[in-house]
Amino acid sequence: DTGVSQDPRHKITKRGQNVTFRCDPISEHNRLYWYRQTLGQGPEFLTYFQNEAQLEKSRLLSDRFSAERPKGSFSTLEIQRTEQGDSAMYLCASSRTNLAGFTYEQYFGPGTRLTVT
Amino acid sequence: AQRVTQPEKLLSVFKGAPVELKCNYSYSGSPELFWYVQYSRQRLQLLLRHISRESIKGFTADLNKGETSFHLKKPFAQEEDSAMYYCALPNYGGSQGNLIFGKGTKLSVKP
Repeated sequence: DTGVSQDPRHKITKRGQNVTFRCDPISEHNRLYWYRQTLGQGPEFLTYFQNEAQLEKSRLLSDRFSAERPKGSFSTLEIQRTEQGDSAMYLCASSRTNLAGFTYEQYFGPGTRLTVT
Repeated sequence: AQRVTQPEKLLSVFKGAPVELKCNYSYSGSPELFWYVQYSRQRLQLLLRHISRESIKGFTADLNKGETSFHLKKPFAQEEDSAMYYCALPNYGGSQGNLIFGKGTKLSVKP
């Protein structure tokens, strides 16, 4: 296992099109996170899963965004009817938690850079 | 609301000089804090976390609850330390899953 992977690494799309990104976490990690990063900003939280359950969504995640993690393995993030403001780096991270709820460090993927023209 | 502030966008030092990257947070309890680093063309990776109290690559960070700070320090900067540095705090207001990041500080170490 070489770490968290994301596909594609780059995506250019026209405004109004739908896009889907994939994240493959480290295999034994039960938590998976999506963040968005724009120029000059740190990563901003979008949503996260514990196993297959989506436990939290930020207000940044408008109704055009949807995320899934079927079977608690890989995850997809879909953006419908893309807008120019969606242009950003989309980061995926994974971590594990123990039975006491302690969360170990988050490992990040390389990101998917989305450009909406 | 919880917030992480990194007041410097860019910090430029010469090799061998001491480095201090500032991080202030807003949270009333006892937080766990993190420093992440992103080297050029690499992914974001954990540099150190408060709870482990480890020194990684010569960097240390001390939590100062009175000043609500978690500044990152290194006594002698190396050129390979040039990178983006992000301070992060768990979101205790939510389900404690995600991290809240600062905007980052770009460290440039000149030869």
